Amino acid sequence: EAQVTQNPRYLITVTGKKLTVTCSQNMNHEYMSWYRQDPGLGLRQIYYSMNVEVTDKGDVPEGYKVSRKEKRNFPLILESPSPNQTSLYFCASSRDRRSYEQYFGPGTRLTVT
Amino acid sequence: AQKITQTQPGMFVQEKEAVTLDCTYDTSDPSYGLFWYKQPSSGEMIFLIYQGSYDQQNATEGRYSLNFQKARKSANLVISASQLGDSAMYFCAISGNTPLVFGKGTRLSVIA
Repeated sequence: EAQVTQNPRYLITVTGKKLTVTCSQNMNHEYMSWYRQDPGLGLRQIYYSMNVEVTDKGDVPEGYKVSRKEKRNFPLILESPSPNQTSLYFCASSRDRRSYEQYFGPGTRLTVT
Repeated sequence: AQKITQTQPGMFVQEKEAVTLDCTYDTSDPSYGLFWYKQPSSGEMIFLIYQGSYDQQNATEGRYSLNFQKARKSANLVISASQLGDSAMYFCAISGNTPLVFGKGTRLSVIA
């Protein structure tokens, strides 16, 4: 089954404690991205990756890091989380940037206290 | 830069009636795609429909249709015969030379 998986699905953590949210896709997609969703703001892109070892900033990259060492994985790293990063996070993948077949993961709800 | 505007924060519709969710966009890309996604209370993003900027006909997928008016830069979603299960947030999005950009969403509530 074609899918994007994210882990964990729910996370409560404290300010400053480094965390990683994993994202994996099994469709051999080149393009992967991370979004955060906040009430009244819709989804905003954090980072995206066109292919292995190629990443670029989206609209709201501050406080986040990503890596793309393998085609299937695109982890999101919060080196020092802060309460304003409390949000719902989505990973997405597609064949390429312009493909209309965008696959979303189930979401990770993060709370930083 | 690309931009999506959804002017209706919330909408109500009677069950079995049709409803139109508005979406206007702004882009300088000659070629682009427009998407609609549904997000139920469970949180997942569900792809509904896609319209390419050069597609001659309006896209349709079952009860969903996209009213694409290129000159007006609008891409409204029409849901026919609303069902209680259609109650959700709906997001319009655009892709082109820049990654997918989303609107702020419209919350649709279907009333029995």
